[in-house]
Amino acid sequence: GNSVTQMEGPVTLSEEAFLTINCTYTATGYPSLFWYVQYPGEGLQLLLKATKADDKGSNKGFEATYRKETTSFHLEKGSVQVSDSAVYFCALTKGAGGTSYGKLTFGQGTILTVHP
Amino acid sequence: EPEVTQTPSHQVTQMGQEVILRCVPISNHLYFYWYRQILGQKVEFLVSFYNNEISEKSEIFDDQFSVERPDGSNFTLKIRSTKLEDSAMYFCASSAPSGVVFETQYFGPGTRLLVL
Repeated sequence: GNSVTQMEGPVTLSEEAFLTINCTYTATGYPSLFWYVQYPGEGLQLLLKATKADDKGSNKGFEATYRKETTSFHLEKGSVQVSDSAVYFCALTKGAGGTSYGKLTFGQGTILTVHP
Repeated sequence: EPEVTQTPSHQVTQMGQEVILRCVPISNHLYFYWYRQILGQKVEFLVSFYNNEISEKSEIFDDQFSVERPDGSNFTLKIRSTKLEDSAMYFCASSAPSGVVFETQYFGPGTRLLVL
């Protein structure tokens, strides 16, 4: 079945540091890939997505590139802020022609803490 | 901006009691989902719902669970006889089909269920 593996956390950085959170996946066919963010006390918010190989998703300074050859979708940000402190989830869903009706499969989440 | 809403935000119940968690999806969306997140663990898919029937369900979604869209706006998850291990955050999500089969899922803020 489909699965998503994220790097072990938690991750603690100083403000303006470079962020990478690794995500690799196992799936048949051509999944769509997502990063969701969960701020303290809130629900899941879509951060960015990519629906085909070599697509780059970007939002709020975050980027991730869909790499089919390495089955990866690593999240990066050049300069993190205290307000980026949250839990980040990598997720996938089957692409067009699949039968999963959009079921999302999530990674275990990575806690990011950014200090001033 | 339209959003998914969920009520209640918190619910405490006794083991063996029935609970109903309520969700109001985004109004023009057609696919509806429930997920849960046990404290410290992954977000897990429970069920998807389309055209007034279940599209897919996970092995977690046993006979104690049911979903319903009782009117044009609400989407509910019922747990018939709660167990201690049902304690979790329950998220509702909705999505709208587009030219691509699966569109982004938008999540509600969650209902935290505590079974005593």
